[in-house]
Amino acid sequence: AQTVTQSQPEMSVQEAETVTLSCTYDTSESDYYLFWYKQPPSRQMILVIRQEAYKQQNATENRFSVNFQKAAKSFSLKISDSQLGDAAMYFCAYRIPFTVGTASKLTFGTGTRLQVTL
Amino acid sequence: ETGVTQSPTHLIKTRGQQVTLRCSSQSGHNTVSWYQQALGQGPQFIFQYYREEENGRGNFPPRFSGLQFPNYSSELNVNALELDDSALYLCASSEAGNEQFFGPGTRLTVL
Repeated sequence: AQTVTQSQPEMSVQEAETVTLSCTYDTSESDYYLFWYKQPPSRQMILVIRQEAYKQQNATENRFSVNFQKAAKSFSLKISDSQLGDAAMYFCAYRIPFTVGTASKLTFGTGTRLQVTL
Repeated sequence: ETGVTQSPTHLIKTRGQQVTLRCSSQSGHNTVSWYQQALGQGPQFIFQYYREEENGRGNFPPRFSGLQFPNYSSELNVNALELDDSALYLCASSEAGNEQFFGPGTRLTVL
């Protein structure tokens, strides 16, 4: 079974600084996707960034970038120039490609609560 | 383009009752997935519907059931509610294997 582990329950970063959130996963699949989702107090789960396992190049989305180490099954999120609006729960998630008859379900970690201070 | 919507926002039920939660998928999406998120936890997959058929189920008992309608909206039904069913219920819609977009969730409290 696939598992996703986030070992940092809470992290804190000063505004304008950089922070890295860690995630490891376990799978026997060769083709899969990895995601970082943000869940602010409003509860809505928002996709931050996605990485396809077959791509060696790390994904970037503006201030957000990942360090994907496939052999080590590690997928960390780096937030640069942190802003107050970045404060939220961050979830690492995994899924396999969609096929009819097999759920393309997201498997989530337990989350990391990020605090951003002035 | 309308996003994913869920109703109701909050719900309070008592043990043994039944509840129906609703989800309207984003325009153009034919797949709906439901997740249960207990307080302080990550979401857990309940089941997924693709073109009105169940396309996989997580480790939830049969009293959790669902439907998807021809317009791809969906319902989650929970019978014989237990205290542990208290959680945030999230639905996510997608166009088959593409990204899942989440609704704002329904907070269910079972007393």
